[in-house]
Amino acid sequence: DTAVSQTPKYLVTQMGNDKSIKCEQNLGHDTMYWYKQDSKKFLKIMFSYNNKELIINETVPNRFSPKSPDKAHLNLHINSLELGDSAVYFCASSHVSQGVQYFGPGTRLTVL
Amino acid sequence: QQQVKQSPQSLIVQKGGISIINCAYENTAFDYFPWYQQFPGKGPALLIAIRPDVSEKKEGRFTISFNKSAKQFSLHIMDSQPGDSATYFCAASKSTGSARQLTFGSGTQLTVLP
Repeated sequence: DTAVSQTPKYLVTQMGNDKSIKCEQNLGHDTMYWYKQDSKKFLKIMFSYNNKELIINETVPNRFSPKSPDKAHLNLHINSLELGDSAVYFCASSHVSQGVQYFGPGTRLTVL
Repeated sequence: QQQVKQSPQSLIVQKGGISIINCAYENTAFDYFPWYQQFPGKGPALLIAIRPDVSEKKEGRFTISFNKSAKQFSLHIMDSQPGDSATYFCAASKSTGSARQLTFGSGTQLTVLP
C-alpha cells in the first residue's frame, strides 16, 4: 500500500524518559513534516524536512529533535519527556510544490 | 495569533440536511485552501481543496465556496449522512521556499443524526 506509516501507534512512558517515533512514506514525496495534535484536537506544525534538510522549525522545545536519514524517512526523538508532551503526533508528506499534505495514522504519546 | 479561524466548534445535523462550516484567514500569502476530514483514531485525510482564483469547487456532496476579498471560505456538505460524522479542519497553505506550510483551523466536530 502506498501511504505514510508511523510506529509505534501507541506509546506510554514515564516522565523523564527518552523516546522515538518513526515515520516512513512511500509516496515519492520530497518533503516530510511532524505535527502535534493536542487534547483539543488543535493541529500545529512542529518541523518540516525537504530532502533531509530542516526547513521549518516552529517554536518547539529543543528536547524534540527530528532526524531524516533519507527523504522517505523522518524520525522524531524526544528527550526528558514531560507530562505536557502527551498528545498525538502526526507525520505527513508532500511534494514541495504542492499544498496538499498526506498524513500518517498518528502516534498517541502518553506521559505518566 | 490564530491565522485561520474556524466555526462552529461543533455542529449537529439531521440526516439529509446541509452541514456548513466556515473559515476565515488573515495572511494574504496563503494560496491554497484544503479541507481535511478526521475520524477518531485516524490521521487527517484530504477531502477537497481550492485555489483562491476559483470561487467554488464541488466534488460529489462536498462544495467549497471561496470569497477572496472577504478572506473567507466555507465547506458545504449536502445530504449529510451519519458516515460523515467526523472532525473537519480547514487549512491554509503558503510557500516557505523549500516547503509548504499548512496552518489549520481549530476543527469542527460534526455529528449527523440518523
